[in-house]
Amino acid sequence: DTGVSQDPRHKITKRGQNVTFRCDPISEHNRLYWYRQTLGQGPEFLTYFQNEAQLEKSRLLSDRFSAERPKGSFSTLEIQRTEQGDSAMYLCASSPWEGFTEAFFGQGTRLTVV
Amino acid sequence: AQSVTQLGSHVSVSEGALVLLRCNYSSSVPPYLFWYVQYPNQGLQLLLKYTSAATLVKGINGFEAEFKKSETSFHLTKPSAHMRDAAEYFCAVSDYGGSQGNLIFGKGTKLSVKP
Repeated sequence: DTGVSQDPRHKITKRGQNVTFRCDPISEHNRLYWYRQTLGQGPEFLTYFQNEAQLEKSRLLSDRFSAERPKGSFSTLEIQRTEQGDSAMYLCASSPWEGFTEAFFGQGTRLTVV
Repeated sequence: AQSVTQLGSHVSVSEGALVLLRCNYSSSVPPYLFWYVQYPNQGLQLLLKYTSAATLVKGINGFEAEFKKSETSFHLTKPSAHMRDAAEYFCAVSDYGGSQGNLIFGKGTKLSVKP
């Protein structure tokens, strides 16, 4: 296994369009997290899954943001009706959760809304 | 609520000099603390973590950090900087005492290393 994989690495979209990002976690990890990182800031937690269950979504930035993890494997993060303020790096991380351990991060998807 | 403050958004050192990156935390429960490094246009890589065992934690690439409860600090150090250490460093604390596993990050410190 080569780690957490995110696709695409870069996305340029026009304001108002919908975008979807994919994250493939490390295969044996049952926890998956999404973060957003804007320029000059640390990552900001958005949501997380335990297997296929989304256990925390109150931190999603607006109702334009949604995430899924069907079958507890890969996950998608969708942003509807994108705005220029959505331009950021979107990071995915996974962890095995036998007790609390560190999260392993993917390389991120950089979104630019023009 | 948990939070992290990193003092200094930018630190510059000469190659071979001591690296000291400062992090102070606030936590209502015993914290789990982490340092991550991020290279340009990359994700985050874990350097080291404190999870209530030894207060002096050794990590990868020669970095270490000391948990000081009395000072609510978790500063990152390296005795001798190398050019490849130039990157951005993030301190993080576990949210909800680790029960959810998500992290709260500081704003980061960009480390520059001069030849």
